[in-house]
Amino acid sequence: KAGVTQTPRYLIKTRGQQVTLSCSPISGHRSVSWYQQTPGQGLQFLFEYFSETQRNKGNFPGRFSGRQFSNSRSEMNVSTLELGDSALYLCASSLGRLGNALHFGNGTRLTVT
Amino acid sequence: GNSVTQMEGPVTLSEEAFLTINCTYTATGYPSLFWYVQYPGEGLQLLLKATKADDKGSNKGFEATYRKETTSFHLEKGSVQVSDSAVYFCALSDRGQNFVFGPGTRLSVLP
Repeated sequence: KAGVTQTPRYLIKTRGQQVTLSCSPISGHRSVSWYQQTPGQGLQFLFEYFSETQRNKGNFPGRFSGRQFSNSRSEMNVSTLELGDSALYLCASSLGRLGNALHFGNGTRLTVT
Repeated sequence: GNSVTQMEGPVTLSEEAFLTINCTYTATGYPSLFWYVQYPGEGLQLLLKATKADDKGSNKGFEATYRKETTSFHLEKGSVQVSDSAVYFCALSDRGQNFVFGPGTRLSVLP
C-alpha cells in the first residue's frame, strides 16, 4: 500500500510570493491534516480536512489555507510569504475517527528568502 | 486546552542501555495516546499507541502503558541500538483528529 506522498520535497521562494503544496493520502483515508514543523515551535497543527470539509483549524493567519478534493488529495496554500514561514510542512492522513493514528508523508521543506 | 509534556533531551545512551522517555499529558475526557519517531529527513512514523486506560502499546521492543491515574505514557525499551537514534514525539488525540504533540526528545545511541 502506497504511503502518504507530498510534493514537492523542497521549495525556495521569495518573500511576498505564494506557494501551493500537494498531498496524496493513503488509499481509503478520508482525513488529511497539515502541520508546520520548526526547530523553535515544534509541530503546530494547521488544519484538517475530512470528506472535502475543513473539520478543524489551528491558530494560523488567514494567509494559510487549504482544500481537499473528492479523491481525498489535499493542497495547502500560503500567500504573501514571510521569512518566518520557512519550515517543514507535513501532511498526514488517517481514517478520521477517534483512536486512528496519523500517517505522515516525508514533508515539503519550504525556504523563504 | 490539551497539552503534552516530555523531556526534551538530548538523551545520550550507550548501545544496549535501558531507555525511558517520560511523557505526561493534560486533557479533558479520555484521549488516545501515541508515540511517533522521526528519523533525519523524514516525516513522523507511528511507533505505538494506546486508546484506553491501562492499555499497553508495543512495537519493535518499545513499550508504553496508558496510566490515567498519573496522566502518563512513558516510553521504554530494554536495550537500545544505534539505529534507534532519532527524535521521539509523544502525542494525544481527542474528538477525532485533533492531535497535540509534545516538543520531541532527541535520542543519540553511541556504539
